[in-house]
Amino acid sequence: QVQLMESGGGVVQPGGSLRLSCAASGFSFTDFGMNWVRQAPGQGLEWVTYIRSDGTTKFYSDSVKGRFTISSDTSKNILYLQMNSLRPDDTAVYYCAKKGVSGNFFDSWGQGTLVTVSS
Amino acid sequence: DIQMTQSPSTLSASVGDRVSITCRASQSISRWLAWYQQKPGQAPKLLIYKASNLESGVPSRFSGSGSGTEFTLTISNLQPDDFATYYCQHYNSFATMYSFGQGTKLEIK
Repeated sequence: QVQLMESGGGVVQPGGSLRLSCAASGFSFTDFGMNWVRQAPGQGLEWVTYIRSDGTTKFYSDSVKGRFTISSDTSKNILYLQMNSLRPDDTAVYYCAKKGVSGNFFDSWGQGTLVTVSS
Repeated sequence: DIQMTQSPSTLSASVGDRVSITCRASQSISRWLAWYQQKPGQAPKLLIYKASNLESGVPSRFSGSGSGTEFTLTISNLQPDDFATYYCQHYNSFATMYSFGQGTKLEIK
């Protein structure tokens, strides 16, 4: 079965950087686009970024464009999110989510990793 | 950007009830809509995609309908496990646009 396991969260000061990882298993990683979605404490869901299965196409929400970078290592089946110039409003649980078989919805999610941006 | 608005924000119901949650889009999105269930401390779980397609393994008491700008998630014969927060999501065919509703919390009456 599909498994997605995020790691790399923690506490970072404003202006700092952090890299999140998402280890994928149970499916052909090179066949599906992947996403990062975040959820601020007590708030709703916010899509952050998408990477196409072959890594050639990437999209970002306006809130993170120019600060965050999505990438993947298909030899290791790992998805990454490099987060730079972090701000307090980036504080959230970050989920990786797999694109659905028949559309761009999210059919599998990891358990999430918490990023706290605070001085 | 397309805005998704859910109503109500909170819904109180009893086991065995039939409930509906509405999701409205700020412009027509055809049937590009998904529904997710999220329980406290857990990741969201896909229930419905393309407005009315039930994800594999999801109980048939969940159903989705609608197209254009108005969509509905209906849960029949509510079970204790169904009390959670529900989100609608617009997605497009190009993976460039994803908008979530603000969520509807389904509580036990």
